[in-house]
Amino acid sequence: DTAVSQTPKYLVTQMGNDKSIKCEQNLGHDTMYWYKQDSKKFLKIMFSYNNKELIINETVPNRFSPKSPDKAHLNLHINSLELGDSAVYFCASSQGHTGTYEQYFGPGTRLTVT
Amino acid sequence: QQQVKQSPQSLIVQKGGISIINCAYENTAFDYFPWYQQFPGKGPALLIAIRPDVSEKKEGRFTISFNKSAKQFSLHIMDSQPGDSATYFCAPPPRSNSGYALNFGKGTSLLVTP
Repeated sequence: DTAVSQTPKYLVTQMGNDKSIKCEQNLGHDTMYWYKQDSKKFLKIMFSYNNKELIINETVPNRFSPKSPDKAHLNLHINSLELGDSAVYFCASSQGHTGTYEQYFGPGTRLTVT
Repeated sequence: QQQVKQSPQSLIVQKGGISIINCAYENTAFDYFPWYQQFPGKGPALLIAIRPDVSEKKEGRFTISFNKSAKQFSLHIMDSQPGDSATYFCAPPPRSNSGYALNFGKGTSLLVTP
């Protein structure tokens, strides 16, 4: 009965490849997020979706494309992977997007680009 | 994103001691002040949060103190335990007309020694 799940947990790939990370939440939340955590543990928002609609799109290379097929899923596709994309990617969800709602995080996907 | 300045970067406290982590923000576009806790290999999880209409909130051994005039809020961990060893983030979400992603500080790595 995991609240926010991500697959895969680990992803090792070569530069130039395309990869996807999947996220699912079973909390009934209407807002989902992607965050990136770098090697220094700095966490930064990438995207946010509310009811399948993109509401936050931070300065992220357009090689990153989120897709939300329904309110419970938010996937992240990355084209032409670069060394600098190596990081831990966290999916999160909340009920409401007005900022004062607790965000629930998944376990993270550690992406290593070689 | 508006920036928050978190200090110290790392902290070592003996078991039973008090851990204090500070967060300063630069403008008033925040109306919710959460602290998130992250254990190694896990996603962040909400620990405690405060709204600016109160100056202090206590939940068990964890207390948030809020100083609106100084634009600072602090996390106090009383009777620190080895199980509190984790990375702590202040993460106030800035108000905007769209979504409210968490705006993470750079984190404080807390080690509680036996």
